[in-house]
Amino acid sequence: GQQVMQIPQYQHVQEGEDFTTYCNSSTTLSNIQWYKQRPGGHPVFLIQLVKSGEVKKQKRLTFQFGEAKKNSSLHITATQTTDVGTYFCAGRLNNAGNMLTFGGGTRLMVKP
Amino acid sequence: DARVTQTPRHKVTEMGQEVTMRCQPILGHNTVFWYRQTMMQGLELLAYFRNRAPLDDSGMPKDRFSAEMPDATLATLKIQPSEPRDSAVYFCASAEGQSTDTQYFGPGTRLTVL
Repeated sequence: GQQVMQIPQYQHVQEGEDFTTYCNSSTTLSNIQWYKQRPGGHPVFLIQLVKSGEVKKQKRLTFQFGEAKKNSSLHITATQTTDVGTYFCAGRLNNAGNMLTFGGGTRLMVKP
Repeated sequence: DARVTQTPRHKVTEMGQEVTMRCQPILGHNTVFWYRQTMMQGLELLAYFRNRAPLDDSGMPKDRFSAEMPDATLATLKIQPSEPRDSAVYFCASAEGQSTDTQYFGPGTRLTVL
């Protein structure tokens, strides 16, 4: 069935280093969303990308949607301890209504 | 500040017991989702409703799980009988109903079945 894959599963970085998580789908997505879940918390929406090749920035976070709308990435510049958590991508298939297919998440740990 | 609420936040029960989890979506949201999160399986969609009608429950084990929306302000997820493998965090999320909508997650119910 349709899957959205995310890599890496885990990432340890030193505070100040950059971090990137990648999301790949076997089929074209109508749009993709990114969520962040802090330890013990619930997923919280970060951003949505809709257009092919779209790039959006939120302070130190840069989100990209691939030209073929099958992959996406989230890059964090100069990580801080507040960036700790699990980052999920969630893709919406064409004609899937409101349903999102979540990737497995990338757990980011930042050493101060 | 509108939020999705879930009760209970924590539930410990014994195998074979019935468990009911409740969710109050954000007022005005017509789409409700139930997810289960475990370390092994990640976030799995169990069921979702639009305007209180179930649209997809293919992710839900039918023999023991049931999901309903008795009214627009309440969604329930019931497990009967519960089993240890049902131990997980169950999240409810709501959305306004458009295909590009953000999903707003509740705080979750952490279920432990002994």
